[in-house]
Amino acid sequence: EVQLVQSGAEVKKPGESLKISCKGSGYNFPNYWIAWVRQMPGKGLEWMGVIYPSDSDTRYSPSFQGQVTISADKSITTAYLQWSSLQASDTAVYYCARLPGPQLIGRYFDYWGQGTLVTVSA
Amino acid sequence: EIVLTQSPGTLSLSPGERATLSCRASQSVSSSYLAWYQQIPGQAPRLLIYAASARATGIPDRFSGSGSGTDFTLTISRLEPEDFAVYYCQQYGSTPLYTFGQGTKLEIK
Repeated sequence: EVQLVQSGAEVKKPGESLKISCKGSGYNFPNYWIAWVRQMPGKGLEWMGVIYPSDSDTRYSPSFQGQVTISADKSITTAYLQWSSLQASDTAVYYCARLPGPQLIGRYFDYWGQGTLVTVSA
Repeated sequence: EIVLTQSPGTLSLSPGERATLSCRASQSVSSSYLAWYQQIPGQAPRLLIYAASARATGIPDRFSGSGSGTDFTLTISRLEPEDFAVYYCQQYGSTPLYTFGQGTKLEIK
């Protein structure tokens, strides 16, 4: 069974750093792209970026380039999303999601993690 | 950037009725690159349809997708109580690689 299990909810102060995780199981983790998707309170879905764990090839949405860092450790089948300096506007639920194979073109998200709520407040 | 516009914003229907949700793209989209998701409040999105009309694994056949070019449709033939949720369309583009529509909320009338 394919599963993506994300780390738990976080409460942080503005200016703090954070790294959240997404552990994949039940499939050949290195050979499937993992995406990160943001959902701000009461809002829709926004694609942030993707990573191919096999070689750490990473692509970012222009809206998130330079704002976050996506990484992966294929040895422990885990992908990460990190911030160096959080802002209140980063308050959201963050989902990881798997693409159905090694291709990036024309893809969609077939399995999703349960989401990680990040709250940034002074 | 291709913008996806979903309509209506909110759709109020009763169980047993037929639901028709629209997703319009600002530029032509390959049918192979259009997907639909369902999100129940408090839960992660779930893939329903990919390549415009292919049902994902385990999705009931009351869900169907159609369309091409700039106009795509998700149809739910007979609404069940568990179908009341928010629905998003999504496409693969160039920059950014993936974009979502703003969502249609399907609520019980």
